Amino acid sequence: QAQLVESGGGVVQPGRSLRLSCVVSGISFNYGMHWVRQAPGKGLEWVAVISYDGSSQSYADSVRGRFTISRDDSKNTLFLQMNNLREEDTAVYYCAKRLHSGDLDYWGQGTLVTVSS
Amino acid sequence: DIQMTQSPSSLSASVGDRVTITCRASQGISNSLAWYQHKPGNAPKLLIHTASTLQSGVPSRFSGSGSGTDFTLTISSLQPEDVATYYCQKYNSVPYTFGQGTKLEIK
Repeated sequence: QAQLVESGGGVVQPGRSLRLSCVVSGISFNYGMHWVRQAPGKGLEWVAVISYDGSSQSYADSVRGRFTISRDDSKNTLFLQMNNLREEDTAVYYCAKRLHSGDLDYWGQGTLVTVSS
Repeated sequence: DIQMTQSPSSLSASVGDRVTITCRASQGISNSLAWYQHKPGNAPKLLIHTASTLQSGVPSRFSGSGSGTDFTLTISSLQPEDVATYYCQKYNSVPYTFGQGTKLEIK
């Protein structure tokens, strides 16, 4: 069955960087892929999307210029490079596969990123 | 950017009740609307896509309707396992904004 497994979360100081990974198995990786986050006590926030072939990416205003989404199709792995982290980036980060465009039919269990001094 | 507004923000109902959650887009989004169920500690689960299409494996007591700017998620007969937070999401164009969520509890 489908498995999306995120890793790379942890505690990091403001201004530092972190790279999240999401390994996909049991389903085709030939789809657009997304990152979505949930800050403590808050709702879901869409973060970024990458096209099936990696040729295009889009970002939420809150992360544009600091975060970069990428993929390695040879390893069925999605990445999120997070630079210049802020306390407000503290959240559980989920990777998810798109169904049509932005609707998401498979999700990982999430990885927690805590930005704190 | 298009804003998505859900109501109510929280809801308490009895087992067997019919429950309705609404979602309004600040501009028309055709039928590019999805609904998710999110339980604490779990991954969000896609319930409805294309405003009214039930995702495979989702119980038939869930249904969606609407087009343009106004959308509805209905649970025809509330079950204890339906306790969760429900989100709408628009996906006609980026950013793929979520509503603020509706927390559903059993009375």
